[in-house]
Amino acid sequence: GENVEQHPSTLSVQEGDSAVIKCTYSDSASNYFPWYKQELGKRPQLIIDIRSNVGEKKDQRIAVTLNKTAKHFSLHITETQPEDSAVYFCAATYFGNEKLTFGTGTRLTIIP
Amino acid sequence: EPEVTQTPSHQVTQMGQEVILRCVPISNHLYFYWYRQILGQKVEFLVSFYNNEISEKSEIFDDQFSVERPDGSNFTLKIRSTKLEDSAMYFCASSDGQGAHNEQFFGPGTRLTVL
Repeated sequence: GENVEQHPSTLSVQEGDSAVIKCTYSDSASNYFPWYKQELGKRPQLIIDIRSNVGEKKDQRIAVTLNKTAKHFSLHITETQPEDSAVYFCAATYFGNEKLTFGTGTRLTIIP
Repeated sequence: EPEVTQTPSHQVTQMGQEVILRCVPISNHLYFYWYRQILGQKVEFLVSFYNNEISEKSEIFDDQFSVERPDGSNFTLKIRSTKLEDSAMYFCASSDGQGAHNEQFFGPGTRLTVL
């Protein structure tokens, strides 16, 4: 089955700087990769996703890149703000599959 | 904006007891999921449910677990005889499309503590 590894487990970034979180996956059949953000005490929420027919997707300060050959994908947050502090989870699946396989999460702290 | 809700937020139980975790999915969603997260570990898929039956389950979802949609709004996860290792955060999620490539909306979770 699919296995998703996520790094780093914790990340502290000065406000205004960029943050990068990386994930690798094992199943070459996976073709959908969502990222979820979980603020303290709140539910996980989808912030961005990417499908394997594109290499990059951007939404304002958030971008995700995908390298299918290397089987890794990354979340990039630019101009970080205090409200970006949260735990971020990557996940992988393939179309038609019911199951999301998650990474272990990255606790991102933005230092004012 | 509609949200998935879960009750209770925290459940404490004795080993061997039965627990029922409750979820109210978003009203027009037809696909329902349970996940769990043991403290410090990754979120793990347990089961997906559609049209009143399980569509997929993981190896974690053994005979001690069951799911039910007892009425038009609730979706429940029952653990028949809890073990210490069942202590975890349990998340319910719902979606309006089949397959995990459709956005899954998560509830706030129920923290289950088995003593």
